Amino acid sequence: EDQVTQSPEALRLQEGESSSLNCSYTVSGLRGLFWYRQDPGKGPEFLFTLYSAGEEKEKERLKATLTKKESFLHITAPKPEDSATYLCAVRSGGSYIPTFGRGTSLIVHP
Amino acid sequence: GAVVSQHPSRVICKSGTSVKIECRSLDFQATTMFWYRQFPKKSLMLMATSNEGSKATYEQGVEKDKFLINHASLTLSTLTVTSAHPEDSSFYICSARSPGTSGGNEQFFGPGTRLTVL
Repeated sequence: EDQVTQSPEALRLQEGESSSLNCSYTVSGLRGLFWYRQDPGKGPEFLFTLYSAGEEKEKERLKATLTKKESFLHITAPKPEDSATYLCAVRSGGSYIPTFGRGTSLIVHP
Repeated sequence: GAVVSQHPSRVICKSGTSVKIECRSLDFQATTMFWYRQFPKKSLMLMATSNEGSKATYEQGVEKDKFLINHASLTLSTLTVTSAHPEDSSFYICSARSPGTSGGNEQFFGPGTRLTVL
């Protein structure tokens, strides 16, 4: 059974204070690791897909990296508008249904 | 990017009534759509997988007679909550699998529907 654990559950940062969110996973044959951003009362917004260890992807202040056991979402010089819940999900084997983690709630104070 | 819409965004109904929620993929054809339920400060709970032209596959513990799913076309899936009760109040989110991006693994989510049953 695929497992996804995100840490920390909640993170408070000052504007400009860089940090990282962690997504640890256990799967049988990774077919993709996904990062989403979810604002309160909204559906998740797709950010990145990573497929293999060593892969990195960037978008504005966000950078996602992947190893064989975990993924990090690095946030560089965050702004208050980066405040949201960040969800990680993995897909494995022959299933196209991803397993989601519980998310990390990020609050960036001005 | 792929866009998924949901309607309505918010609905309030009386106990015992049925509510239909629509999920549309606006700029791509989705052979597979998913329905999720999300409780406050909790992660997404997959309810069912909807395949165009066939019966939906429900997750364990989800009542198929209570949550009717229809995927009549490649761009539209509907979720009907039948005889809704207060415990059905929740945030319902659909997603669609886009076949045309990076191997077709990404799911794109709708904005969600907040259901409140009085």
